[in-house]
Amino acid sequence: KNQVEQSPQSLIILEGKNCTLQCNYTVSPFSNLRWYKQDTGRGPVSLTIMTFSENTKSNGRYTATLDADTKQSSLHITASQLSDSASYICVVSASDYKLSFGAGTTVTVRA
Amino acid sequence: EAGVAQSPRYKIIEKRQSVAFWCNPISGHATLYWYQQILGQGPKLLIQFQNNGVVDDSQLPKDRFSAERLKGVDSTLKIQPAKLEDSAVYLCASSQKAGGLLSRIVDNEQFFGPGTRLTVL
Repeated sequence: KNQVEQSPQSLIILEGKNCTLQCNYTVSPFSNLRWYKQDTGRGPVSLTIMTFSENTKSNGRYTATLDADTKQSSLHITASQLSDSASYICVVSASDYKLSFGAGTTVTVRA
Repeated sequence: EAGVAQSPRYKIIEKRQSVAFWCNPISGHATLYWYQQILGQGPKLLIQFQNNGVVDDSQLPKDRFSAERLKGVDSTLKIQPAKLEDSAVYLCASSQKAGGLLSRIVDNEQFFGPGTRLTVL
């Protein structure tokens, strides 16, 4: 069964600090992995997408990594801002384009 | 370009009542998805349409849930009768395409609407 596990479930960080979110998956055959940001009361918005051959992708202060051998990905947030407070969802696409969603990590940035 | 539109944004009903949600995808997007997102969980696909045809409804509780996309554009999702466990956010998403040998990954990116938060009392 295709599964996506995210950790931690939630975290609290001070403004300006960095944090890293983890995603482990068992989706096979693998097509691509996306990280989505979901603000409270809004739909998810794509931050990054990586295919099998990519091991890092940046979008501003967000940097995603992918290790296709160990089936792990991480999302690193640099110099966090209050607006980074949101849920971050790891979504893995199989080659049939079916998506498997993680439960998300809730990030709270405090001043 | 305009994003995916959903209405209403919030709905509160009592169990055993009926409710309907509406979604208008991004113009030109052939594929439309309805997801159920229970608090603290990731979205779960309920149904996927390709134009006006159903591609995947394997996780749709068909005894109480129904969805249609008659003209291949906007879509409605209905729950009748609602149960307490239906309380969730219902997300609609759309993409240009959905799979196929010649599809590019960018064509399959799903764009999400703001969702409808349903509370069943």
